[in-house]
Amino acid sequence: QVQVVQSGAEVKKPGSSVKVSCQASGGTFNTYDISWVRQAPGQGLEWMGGIIPISGTPNYAQSFQGRVTITADESTSTVYMELSSLRYEDTAVYYCARRGDYEQFDNWGQGTLVAVSA
Amino acid sequence: SYEVTQPPSVSVSPGQTASITCSGNKLGDKYVCWYQQKPGQSPVLFIYQDTKRPSGIPERFSGSNLGNTATLTISGTQAMDEADYYCQAWDGSTAVFGGGTKLTVL
Repeated sequence: QVQVVQSGAEVKKPGSSVKVSCQASGGTFNTYDISWVRQAPGQGLEWMGGIIPISGTPNYAQSFQGRVTITADESTSTVYMELSSLRYEDTAVYYCARRGDYEQFDNWGQGTLVAVSA
Repeated sequence: SYEVTQPPSVSVSPGQTASITCSGNKLGDKYVCWYQQKPGQSPVLFIYQDTKRPSGIPERFSGSNLGNTATLTISGTQAMDEADYYCQAWDGSTAVFGGGTKLTVL
């Protein structure tokens, strides 16, 4: 069973960038789509985009195009999500999730809180 | 862009059946997943491909998807089932989540 561990909480100023990591161990990772999903306080889940590490080609949600960059390092089974031009409304918990063989998100990270504050 | 809609809240008495709907245009043509999320925890997959349960998910959870509506049904609801539930589908290469339904067991 794949274990997915994300980097720790971040506090960022408006206008800056944040980079969150998601590292897997104990199973196949590089051939699966790894997506990023965020959840603002008290709100629902919002898909941001994903990448298949072995291919390196990301796919982004239209609402985040131009502001999000998802990359992968196959050698360390790590996927990164960088969000730029941060706004107060980007304050959220950011999850990485593995997309399984049947299009389901079957393995989620523990979440990373990103707080945007002056 | 494609959207799916859930009721914000559903209430059920212990032991009764709860139904949570997820509506979208021709949703029945897509596969739907359902996730459970408890406060402070990551979402957990409960149903995939409309009707399938991952190992470890109780049999009282079932799903269906026909026409414009997918439904998560919880038979014999227990207090531990109180949580937020999200439906999710793919519109091409974009994942779409419903707004979530808070299930209250009272």
